[in-house]
Amino acid sequence: KAGVTQTPRYLIKTRGQQVTLSCSPISGHRSVSWYQQTPGQGLQFLFEYFSETQRNKGNFPGRFSGRQFSNSRSEMNVSTLELGDSALYLCASSSQTGPYNEQFFGPGTRLTVL
Amino acid sequence: QKEVEQDPGPLSVPEGAIVSLNCTYSNSAFQYFMWYRQYSRKGPELLMYTYSSGNKEDGRFTAQVDKSSKYISLFIRDSQPSDSATYLCAMSGFKANSKLTFGKGITLSVRP
Repeated sequence: KAGVTQTPRYLIKTRGQQVTLSCSPISGHRSVSWYQQTPGQGLQFLFEYFSETQRNKGNFPGRFSGRQFSNSRSEMNVSTLELGDSALYLCASSSQTGPYNEQFFGPGTRLTVL
Repeated sequence: QKEVEQDPGPLSVPEGAIVSLNCTYSNSAFQYFMWYRQYSRKGPELLMYTYSSGNKEDGRFTAQVDKSSKYISLFIRDSQPSDSATYLCAMSGFKANSKLTFGKGITLSVRP
């Protein structure tokens, strides 16, 4: 089975721009979660989508949004980029059929905001 | 107080050492406790999970959970340079759709 894929792997943007990141989950997984990882804050939960519906949301401003398509692929959008948005953005998929929420992570998209 | 606290590190040990990584938590609802390993330029991968209190062993790795103290540990025996990575603890509630809460992670370096 192919793992979780994320595109692009690296991205450089300037302040004020917007960006869209893409995530393809493991085949059959209907849950996709997004995280922001920085050295100072660690791994912070952004939101989770399940069957095209946002089911959980972290404590991030409205500039961060996402969506999920019928094939479970997901996109994350950040508008009006700020320097502090520079981070590794990780996507994780889960089948949620087991006893616990086992998440499989992609390699991440490294976003640099100049 | 954050829900999950993890020793910040970094940690550097000689090859063959026993490594102890620890996390504390405040949310009594956490039932599943996980350790993820993240190599440089990669996403985290699940190393081990434990349900409720107790120990679990997998090769050189042992996970320990003490719910009464809200304290979890990961022990690595006979550490190898290939163990050099960032280790993150994670916790969730009882249901399969429970959100995961992660510690900040600790970077371990094993010197040959």
